[in-house]
Amino acid sequence: GAVVSQHPSRVICKSGTSVKIECRSLDFQATTMFWYRQFPKKSLMLMATSNEGSKATYEQGVEKDKFLINHASLTLSTLTVTSAHPEDSSFYICSARVGGGSYEQYFGPGTRLTVT
Amino acid sequence: AQTVTQSQPEMSVQEAETVTLSCTYDTSESDYYLFWYKQPPSRQMILVIRQEAYKQQNATENRFSVNFQKAAKSFSLKISDSQLGDAAMYFCAYRLYSGNTPLVFGKGTRLSVIA
Repeated sequence: GAVVSQHPSRVICKSGTSVKIECRSLDFQATTMFWYRQFPKKSLMLMATSNEGSKATYEQGVEKDKFLINHASLTLSTLTVTSAHPEDSSFYICSARVGGGSYEQYFGPGTRLTVT
Repeated sequence: AQTVTQSQPEMSVQEAETVTLSCTYDTSESDYYLFWYKQPPSRQMILVIRQEAYKQQNATENRFSVNFQKAAKSFSLKISDSQLGDAAMYFCAYRLYSGNTPLVFGKGTRLSVIA
């Protein structure tokens, strides 16, 4: 099956700094990528949807200036958490979908962010 | 808006036995997909099974099968011959058939398998 990678898998940063998480589709072109946030023992919460070459569409309540999403190519999307605070600590998961109406959606292994 | 409800936060099953996880959803659409995803302790989301709403036949994947009741908007997952490796969080999910809409997830059911 198709593979989605995320880097880094774990990151610890100091409060006030920014951190970038990369999501790559390794063997397919992803016209759409999704970013989710997952709190411990909770479900996945959709943060935003990004289409290649377009601005991301953010879900209600998600600060677009804080969570910057870039989908510059068909194989790479990045999520930058700017001016991170301890409450941003969470598990972030990206997911990529092949275009053309396919149901297939593949998930990355996730990134654990800890803000100290 | 579409919603997905999983009413069982936790379930347990004896090894080799059968367990059914419940899921209901609310939608006014007629064409959509339904999915069950498994999230083991590694946190990697794994697709277990999918169902297209236009298909009357229930989907089956080896030990995993669904009971899809479109009129009742119910989509339960049956795991037969449960194995220790089945222990995980299970999420029911919905998405529209057309368009580039995201998956809508339920809150999940944590399944424990007892040896």
